[in-house]
Amino acid sequence: AQKVTQAQTEISVVEKEDVTLDCVYETRDTTYYLFWYKQPPSGELVFLIRRNSFDEQNEISGRYSWNFQKSTSSFNFTITASQVVDSAVYFCALSPPSGGSYIPTFGRGTSLIVHP
Amino acid sequence: NAGVTQTPKFRVLKTGQSMTLLCAQDMNHEYMYWYRQDPGMGLRLIHYSVGEGTTAKGEVPDGYNVSRLKKQNFLLGLESAAPSQTSVYFCASSYSGPTGSLPQHFGDGTRLSIL
Repeated sequence: AQKVTQAQTEISVVEKEDVTLDCVYETRDTTYYLFWYKQPPSGELVFLIRRNSFDEQNEISGRYSWNFQKSTSSFNFTITASQVVDSAVYFCALSPPSGGSYIPTFGRGTSLIVHP
Repeated sequence: NAGVTQTPKFRVLKTGQSMTLLCAQDMNHEYMYWYRQDPGMGLRLIHYSVGEGTTAKGEVPDGYNVSRLKKQNFLLGLESAAPSQTSVYFCASSYSGPTGSLPQHFGDGTRLSIL
């Protein structure tokens, strides 16, 4: 069975602070995919990143960076110099390999509040 | 290219009434899903479909039915609405093939209130 844990229910920071959102997962699959989604106050869910379990390179996209560590089953998301527009609920998700029943498992989300 | 479209966006029902939520996608995706989102609970899978004519139960299927008669449409039905079904409902679709599991595309959600 798959499981995704986002232990931080809510994080509150002041603008320009760096913030890391934690994601820990459990799976028996050797191949899997990890995702991060953003849900701003407007409510839509927006895809941010996909990571293949074979690729442990960290990724940076502007102020966003992701740290994938297979040894600790973690896929953490860092926002550098946070901005008010980063305020949202962030979901981490885990998917098994393609084929069969492709059913992603979502964490419960971390609500990030960035104060001006 | 509309992506995933959910109708309606808002609805208020009385206990015991029935209704159908429609999800349509124009990306030719095989997989479609219905989730509900409640405060502190994240996204919980209600039902899903891996192709036209097939459906399966997710984590919280009770009180809901689904149908996928056409590849592009996935309907979620509430036969006898209950206050516990007050929630925001999201439909999603995705592709999973030789390149692996690809991201889900979500609709904008349907806010449903059962009085």
